[in-house]
Amino acid sequence: EAGVAQSPRYKIIEKRQSVAFWCNPISGHATLYWYQQILGQGPKLLIQFQNNGVVDDSQLPKDRFSAERLKGVDSTLKIQPAKLEDSAVYLCASSLVTGTSADTQYFGPGTRLTVL
Amino acid sequence: AQSVSQHNHHVILSEAASLELGCNYSYGGTVNLFWYVQYPGQHLQLLLKYFSGDPLVKGIKGFEAEFIKSKFSFNLRKPSVQWSDTAEYFCAVKTYNTDKLIFGTGTRLQVFP
Repeated sequence: EAGVAQSPRYKIIEKRQSVAFWCNPISGHATLYWYQQILGQGPKLLIQFQNNGVVDDSQLPKDRFSAERLKGVDSTLKIQPAKLEDSAVYLCASSLVTGTSADTQYFGPGTRLTVL
Repeated sequence: AQSVSQHNHHVILSEAASLELGCNYSYGGTVNLFWYVQYPGQHLQLLLKYFSGDPLVKGIKGFEAEFIKSKFSFNLRKPSVQWSDTAEYFCAVKTYNTDKLIFGTGTRLQVFP
C-alpha cells in the first residue's frame, strides 16, 4: 500500500514570497490533515478535511495560509506572504474515516520550509 | 485546552539498557493515546495506541506503554533497547469526540552500541 506522498521535500524562499505544498493521501482515506512542526516542537494541526470539506481550521493563520482539497483527494497548502516564523516542516496525514476513535493517522515525509 | 508533556527531551542509553519515556496529558475526559516514532530521515510512524480495555498496550519492536488514568500518564517502555531504536518519540492525545491529535514536544533517544 502506497503511503502519503508530499512534494516538494525541501523549499527555501525569501520572506514575503509565496509557496505551495502538495499532498496525496493514501487511496480511499476520507480525512486529510495538515500539521506544522517547528524545530523542537511536536506537530500542530493546521487544518483537517473530510473529503473536500473543512472540519477544523481553528489554528490556521487565515491571513496568510490557505488550503484546499479539490475532489476530496489531493490537497494543497499555500502560504502567501511567508514570514520568517513559518520556517518549519509541514506534514500531511490521512486517515480512513473521521469521528471514529479507533482510526489511525498516517503521516507523509513532510516538506521542510526555510524562509530567509 | 488539552496539552501533552514529555519531560525527557533527550535520553542517551547504551544498548541493552531499559527505557522509560514519560508522557502526561491534561484532559479530564475520555482520551485515546498514541506513541509515534520518527527514525532519522523517515516519516512519523505509529508505535502503539490505546483506545480502551487493557491499559497495558503492546506495540511494534518490543515497545509497550501503560495507561494510568489516575496519573494522566501514558509512559513508553522497552526492557532492552537496541542501536536501531535511535529516533525521536512523540506522545499524542486525542479526545474521544474529535480527530485532533495533540502532540508533546518529543523525546530524542540516542542508543550507543
